[in-house]
Amino acid sequence: DAGVTQSPTHLIKTRGQQVTLRCSPKSGHDTVSWYQQALGQGPQFIFQYYEEEERQRGNFPDRFSGHQFPNYSSELNVNALLLGDSALYLCASSLGRMVVAFFGQGTRLTVV
Amino acid sequence: TQLLEQSPQFLSIQEGENLTVYCNSSSVFSSLQWYRQEPGEGPVLLVTVVTGGEVKKLKRLTFQFGDARKDSSLHITAAQPGDTGLYLCAGAPGTASKLTFGTGTRLQVTL
Repeated sequence: DAGVTQSPTHLIKTRGQQVTLRCSPKSGHDTVSWYQQALGQGPQFIFQYYEEEERQRGNFPDRFSGHQFPNYSSELNVNALLLGDSALYLCASSLGRMVVAFFGQGTRLTVV
Repeated sequence: TQLLEQSPQFLSIQEGENLTVYCNSSSVFSSLQWYRQEPGEGPVLLVTVVTGGEVKKLKRLTFQFGDARKDSSLHITAAQPGDTGLYLCAGAPGTASKLTFGTGTRLQVTL
């Protein structure tokens, strides 16, 4: 049983570019949440998708957007990248409104 | 905005020592989770506590949820080098399943 998988694992982008990160949830899970973890800090909630809709959103600008597909997989898009967007982006899956979350290994994004 | 503060931020101890990590907030959480994260990896769930005053044990790790559900602690007995990592507490508000993470405690256990 595959856990949460994210791709790519590492990514280097130039300031101003756009990036798309992908996540496949754990088998049987229907809810996907995205978190941003800056170096040395705890993860910060970006948004959560359920039934292909954004259910909750954290304090992130509109440059951060997402999508959930019918198979529950999800994408995180970031436009007009800033140096400060450099971080580990984590995807977590869960079932419905259950709090227990399983995390992927993350995508390390570096903006230069 | 709900905040979770962890202390200490860093802890370097020798194998065999005991330690306690604290997670405090001014907000009430419906549940609280503890994760351990290793470099380059995602957080791995250790335990979930949901009832005020609840104590859970996982081998050498003891987790406690405060009576008012605003704070929690993690106690490790006889630490081992394999316990090294970043320990994160995370709280869930009453009606939402998003997690608010603490600032993290980086633990290093040396021989």
